[in-house]
Amino acid sequence: EAQVTQNPRYLITVTGKKLTVTCSQNMNHEYMSWYRQDPGLGLRQIYYSMNVEVTDKGDVPEGYKVSRKEKRNFPLILESPSPNQTSLYFCASSEDRNLVAAFFGQGTRLTVV
Amino acid sequence: EDQVTQSPEALRLQEGESSSLNCSYTVSGLRGLFWYRQDPGKGPEFLFTLYSAGEEKEKERLKATLTKKESFLHITAPKPEDSATYLCAVRSFSGGYNKLIFGAGTRLAVHP
Repeated sequence: EAQVTQNPRYLITVTGKKLTVTCSQNMNHEYMSWYRQDPGLGLRQIYYSMNVEVTDKGDVPEGYKVSRKEKRNFPLILESPSPNQTSLYFCASSEDRNLVAAFFGQGTRLTVV
Repeated sequence: EDQVTQSPEALRLQEGESSSLNCSYTVSGLRGLFWYRQDPGKGPEFLFTLYSAGEEKEKERLKATLTKKESFLHITAPKPEDSATYLCAVRSFSGGYNKLIFGAGTRLAVHP
């Protein structure tokens, strides 16, 4: 079954404690991206990757890092989380950079206290 | 600045009561408009892609249409299982890459 898998689904952490949210896709997609979803703001892109070792900033990259060492994995790293990063995070992948029919993961609800 | 606005924010319908959701957009050079469905606690699920004004796509009780300034998602004789948040997004080409710009969504509740 084609899917994008994120872990963990839920996470509560304290300010400043480094964390990683993993994302893996089994469709051999080149394009992957991370979004955050906040009430009234819609989905906003954090980072994207067009292929292995190729990543770039989206609209709201501050406070986040990513890496793309393998095609299937695209982890999101928060080096020093702050309360304003409390949000619902989604990883997505698509077959190409045209973004048609992007597949989304189930989401990670992060709370930073 | 590229922007997507969806209305209404929330919509309550009786089962069988047809209606439409609106997505208006401002984008320099539309390269595709997408509709997604999002159920509570889940990621968005792709529904349709529209590329040019006048284009229409249908799937069961849903029909998406596109003009030069907006898109509509028509829901005909909805059922309770159509309850979800419907997201609209446009593809914009900026800074040498494609990106999706999402609206805030319309929360649809269909009651028996």
